Amino acid sequence: QVQLVESGGGVVQTGRSLRLSCTASGYNFASYDIHWVRQAPGKGLEWVAIISRDGSEKFYAASVQGRFIISRDNSNNIVNLQMDNVRSEDTALYYCAKDGRWRRAAGATGNGMDAWGQGTRVAVSS
Amino acid sequence: DIQMTQSPPSLSASVGDRVTISCRASQGIRNDLGWYQQKPGGAPKRLIYATSTLHNGVPPRFSGNGFGTEFTLTISNLQPEDFATYYCLQHHTYPWTFGQGTTVEIK
Repeated sequence: QVQLVESGGGVVQTGRSLRLSCTASGYNFASYDIHWVRQAPGKGLEWVAIISRDGSEKFYAASVQGRFIISRDNSNNIVNLQMDNVRSEDTALYYCAKDGRWRRAAGATGNGMDAWGQGTRVAVSS
Repeated sequence: DIQMTQSPPSLSASVGDRVTISCRASQGIRNDLGWYQQKPGGAPKRLIYATSTLHNGVPPRFSGNGFGTEFTLTISNLQPEDFATYYCLQHHTYPWTFGQGTTVEIK
């Protein structure tokens, strides 16, 4: 079955960097986009970023644009989220999630996240 | 960015009730709207995508409706396992955006 496992979370100081990873299994990894979604303590869900199945398309939320970089390694079924210049408002549980649309064409929209990991926690301290 | 306004923020209901949650988009998103359920301590789960298509295994007491800017999620015959927080998500235009969530509590 589809499995997504996040790792790399921890405590990081304001302004420093952290890299999260998402390791996928149980499906044809290279055929689906991957999202990152976060949830601050006691708050709602916030979509963070997406990377297309081949890595050619990347989109970000305005709140992380210019600070976070998403990448993927289809040989090892891994998606990374490089978080630079972190801020206190980046404190959250970070989920990776698989898009439900098989082999989405460039310019087309996905159809939402059909599988989620359990999340990795990031705490930004001053 | 497209803003998603979800209402109500919370509601109380009894087992067997029918409940409806609304989501309004700040601009037209055709039918590119999904609904997610999250229970305390758990990851979200997709219920519906493309406004009305049920995710695999989701019981038919869940239904979605709408187009353009106005959308609803209806839960008929509310069951004990349905008490949770529900989010809408527009998957029309990047950046994708979630509604603020609606918590369904036991009356």
